[in-house]
Amino acid sequence: GDSVTQMEGPVTLSEEAFLTINCTYTATGYPSLFWYVQYPGEGLQLLLKATKADDKGSNKGFEATYRKETTSFHLEKGSVQVSDSAVYFCALSEPYNTDKLIFGTGTRLQVFP
Amino acid sequence: EAGVTQFPSHSVIEKGQTVTLRCDPISGHDNLYWYRRVMGKEIKFLLHFVKESKQDESGMPNNRFLAERTGGTYSTLKVQPAELEDSGVYFCASSRGLQLGKQYFGPGTRLTVL
Repeated sequence: GDSVTQMEGPVTLSEEAFLTINCTYTATGYPSLFWYVQYPGEGLQLLLKATKADDKGSNKGFEATYRKETTSFHLEKGSVQVSDSAVYFCALSEPYNTDKLIFGTGTRLQVFP
Repeated sequence: EAGVTQFPSHSVIEKGQTVTLRCDPISGHDNLYWYRRVMGKEIKFLLHFVKESKQDESGMPNNRFLAERTGGTYSTLKVQPAELEDSGVYFCASSRGLQLGKQYFGPGTRLTVL
């Protein structure tokens, strides 16, 4: 079945460092891809999304590009802040069942001042 | 508007007992979803309601799990009898209509079965 693989955490960075969290997927057809973020004590929030190949999703300084050739959707940010500390989940939805999200295991990001 | 709320935030029960989790979606959201995250693993889909009807329950692990959404408002997820492997965080999410991937999640209920 369809699946999402994320790099294991935690990822520990100093403030203003460059962030990459890797995400690859396995899917039949052309899924839509998402990054969700969970801040401490809160529910998951949609951070960004991309619905077709070569689309770039962006929000709050984060970016991810839908790469069909490498089946990847890596999350990047040029300069992280302490407030970015959270757990980041990569997810997909299948084209024939768009309501069901398939998540990766999550990657915890810790940013220190 | 108020977000998705879940109750309780944490539940500790013994194996064999029954637990009922509750989710209150955002007002006006017809779609309601349950997901589960077992320690350190991926968040897995359990089921999807549209109003009071079960649209997709393909992720429900077995018949010890019963989800209801009477009246199309709040939902309950009952586990009876609970087993050790049921421990994890249960998330509820809701959405209005067809909004690709944009589901609003509650903070989750952490269930510990001893």
